[in-house]
Amino acid sequence: EIVLTQSPGTLSLSPGERATLSCRASQSVSSSYLAWYQQKPGQAPRLLIYGASSRATGIPDRFSGSGSGTDFTLTISRLEPEDFAVYYCQQYGSSWYTFGQGTKLEIK
Amino acid sequence: EVQLVQSGAEVKKPGESLRISCKGSGYSFTSYWISWVRQMPGKGLEWMGRIDPSDSYTNYSPSFQGHVTISADKSISTAYLQWSSLKASDTAMYYCARLGYYDTGDAFDIWGQGTMVTVSS
Repeated sequence: EIVLTQSPGTLSLSPGERATLSCRASQSVSSSYLAWYQQKPGQAPRLLIYGASSRATGIPDRFSGSGSGTDFTLTISRLEPEDFAVYYCQQYGSSWYTFGQGTKLEIK
Repeated sequence: EVQLVQSGAEVKKPGESLRISCKGSGYSFTSYWISWVRQMPGKGLEWMGRIDPSDSYTNYSPSFQGHVTISADKSISTAYLQWSSLKASDTAMYYCARLGYYDTGDAFDIWGQGTMVTVSS
């Protein structure tokens, strides 16, 4: 089973700042099967990035994904108040899916 | 509008059985796999398993194999998650999610609103 480890656990930043979230896999992941989700309190997760770097429909271009192999990054170029939430990476491999434990992005 | 609509919150006692549902609309239900995802209170997301609604082929996470059953009725565009004997540790929010296919990869692109299951004596 591929384990995804996200860091940091909590990231405290101010609106307007740049956020960099990391997702590291225990073994190599196909970029086609690496995605990022945003979850706000009381809401279902929302797809942000698929294929490691492609933005989902309606996602602002301040969100970007990058990486390959075992190291992937979600970057939010300039934080808006609505971006403070929990972010999860997710991968598919060996017939099942796994999620990272999440990074909470909080207002500083 | 493409959407997944889940059944309402449930409160059950340990040992009881339960089936929750997830109805797809606005798209061809049999063309996309449906997965179920658990979120225990204050915790992260856990993938439980998936079903191909076109033929009801399923596969499960090893963590959930044998503990739950995933099924689907394509005639009514509905997927199900079922327990035969609930435990207190099954208390969680359960989401269904559609696996979308894109030119550069696939991901869970449509999510249901979630069904809260509470198991308590």
